[in-house]
Amino acid sequence: GAVVSQHPSRVICKSGTSVKIECRSLDFQATTMFWYRQFPKQSLMLMATSNEGSKATYEQGVEKDKFLINHASLTLSTLTVTSAHPEDSSFYICSAEGSSYNEQFFGPGTRLTVL
Amino acid sequence: DQQVKQNSPSLSVQEGRISILNCDYTNSMFDYFLWYKKYPAEGPTFLISISSIKDKNEDGRFTVFLNKSAKHLSLHIVPSQPGDSAVYFCAASENAGGTSYGKLTFGQGTILTVHP
Repeated sequence: GAVVSQHPSRVICKSGTSVKIECRSLDFQATTMFWYRQFPKQSLMLMATSNEGSKATYEQGVEKDKFLINHASLTLSTLTVTSAHPEDSSFYICSAEGSSYNEQFFGPGTRLTVL
Repeated sequence: DQQVKQNSPSLSVQEGRISILNCDYTNSMFDYFLWYKKYPAEGPTFLISISSIKDKNEDGRFTVFLNKSAKHLSLHIVPSQPGDSAVYFCAASENAGGTSYGKLTFGQGTILTVHP
């Protein structure tokens, strides 16, 4: 199957700072990337969908000014958590979908802890 | 509003026996259902899917059954192996088109433990 990587795998930051998480499709071109958030013992909640070269579509209740998504190329999407607060601490997972595949390939996730 | 629910947080099974993981949904517009497996510190990996026009799909040891009238699906693993121990997520998509499943709605997951 196709490989999706995320960087960093774990990040700890101070409250009020911004954190950028990268999601890369390593061996295929991702026409669409998805960003999910998972709280402990809960399901993955879709935050936004991004298509290369266009603005992301955010799910209801997700603040677009707080969670900035950039999908500048067919292999890279970034999620920037701006002015992070402790309640933003969570596990963030991206997935990528290519034109040749009918499934989403998930990255390993990024554990964000905001102190 | 949880549109996809996995009501059993955990399941413990003996090696060689059958594992049955259940999932219920409320949105009748879902037209594809998928099962993912997740190990700690890794992203979910796709296992098997089923279209809403079918009631069964089989792939090796994994079979997914869909009961549309009951809005219920289940994943059967037989025989279960210790390596199957992981978190299993049920997911559903609406208006999947072409080569894309599109937006997925996930259940809460069920932790499967297969004992040797």
